[in-house]
Amino acid sequence: NAGVTQTPKFRILKIGQSMTLQCAQDMNHNYMYWYRQDPGMGLKLIYYSVGAGITDKGEVPNGYNVSRSTTEDFPLRLELAAPSQTSVYFCASSYSTGSGYTFGSGTRLTVV
Amino acid sequence: KNEVEQSPQNLTAQEGEFITINCSYSVGISALHWLQQHPGGGIVSLFMLSSGKKKHGRLIATINIQEKHSSLHITASHPRDSAVYICAVLLSSGSARQLTFGSGTQLTVLP
Repeated sequence: NAGVTQTPKFRILKIGQSMTLQCAQDMNHNYMYWYRQDPGMGLKLIYYSVGAGITDKGEVPNGYNVSRSTTEDFPLRLELAAPSQTSVYFCASSYSTGSGYTFGSGTRLTVV
Repeated sequence: KNEVEQSPQNLTAQEGEFITINCSYSVGISALHWLQQHPGGGIVSLFMLSSGKKKHGRLIATINIQEKHSSLHITASHPRDSAVYICAVLLSSGSARQLTFGSGTQLTVLP
């Protein structure tokens, strides 16, 4: 099983550019999440989804957008990239809130 | 004050030593997760527990709900155990957004 697949693994953006981080899971999980990890800090939730067509904001949603048109895919869109969005981004999925989480391998994004 | 506190922040051990990493939390939870982040950055789920104790190979996780405390133990540590270990709690209100993470413990096991 592929689990959770994130692309790209690395990206450098210029200030003001936009990009989409892709996330796909093949486990038929209902719940999907986007986190960012900054040095010395715990992971922070950006957005989450409890199923296709349903998304909601997490702790740090500003500057990001998501969509969930299918169970499998949960892309994260950065509009007008800013240096503060330099971080490592992780996508994760779970069958329910009470089950284990599966994480993607991460995307290291630098905004210059 | 963070809702999830881990200690120590950094730990260096010799191969073969018994290792303990602690996690304390200040809120009501329905479950606690232990995660391992490899030097390459990937995150793997080790345990999810809501009471008692779980064991997988050389790893043991315990939780004391009354004390709001969990420990991750590694027996007969090996250099391949070197990683960041992360504690995360699911708040008892049950909202999908409320998995709160500690900042991690960097473990280095020397040969």
